Amino acid sequence: GESVGLHLPTLSVQEGDNSIINCAYSNSASDYFIWYKQESGKGPQFIIDIRSNMDKRQGQRVTVLLNKTVKHLSLQIAATQPGDSAVYFCAENIVGYSTLTFGKGTMLLVSP
Amino acid sequence: GAGVSQSPSNKVTEKGKDVELRCDPISGHTALYWYRQSLGQGLEFLIYFQGNSAPDKSGLPSDRFSAERTGGSVSTLTIQRTQQEDSAVYLCASSRPGSPQHFGDGTRLSIL
Repeated sequence: GESVGLHLPTLSVQEGDNSIINCAYSNSASDYFIWYKQESGKGPQFIIDIRSNMDKRQGQRVTVLLNKTVKHLSLQIAATQPGDSAVYFCAENIVGYSTLTFGKGTMLLVSP
Repeated sequence: GAGVSQSPSNKVTEKGKDVELRCDPISGHTALYWYRQSLGQGLEFLIYFQGNSAPDKSGLPSDRFSAERTGGSVSTLTIQRTQQEDSAVYLCASSRPGSPQHFGDGTRLSIL
């Protein structure tokens, strides 16, 4: 079946840098996308979402960009902090369907 | 406020035993989901409940897995005759219609 995948399994940055985590999706019918952050021993925590009628959405220190032409999603984290160290998952959904399809995740490591 | 609560947080059992995992969703959330996460992997959908509708069981890996949701609130995931490949973190999520899923911290299941 179609799936969501990530380009980089691990991303190492210095504190204060901006981080970009990428995600490719293959289901052209997907119209809702979510980024989750998962810390060790915890469940995934919602960060930000975007619907397919948008190409950019901003939150607090985070921005999600959606490029439907190339089926690419990215999460930008500004001024990355050690507390941002975690595994980040993108997930896709077709509105009206029940399930999310998750990618395998990218580990973000932030050095002080 | 109260989030999704799962119990137990850890469960160790012998191969062949049955296990029950519990999920208390966020109050007012009509949708409830179970996922399985193997080490270093993304989330694998298992089952979905929405209100009083018949559950979507399409992700259950075998007939040893079952789940129920009583009174539209608490859910129990049961695994019968556990196998070593059942070892994983079992995550529960809940949501309101059209809103992101919110996850509990999971039950880490280890089959000896």
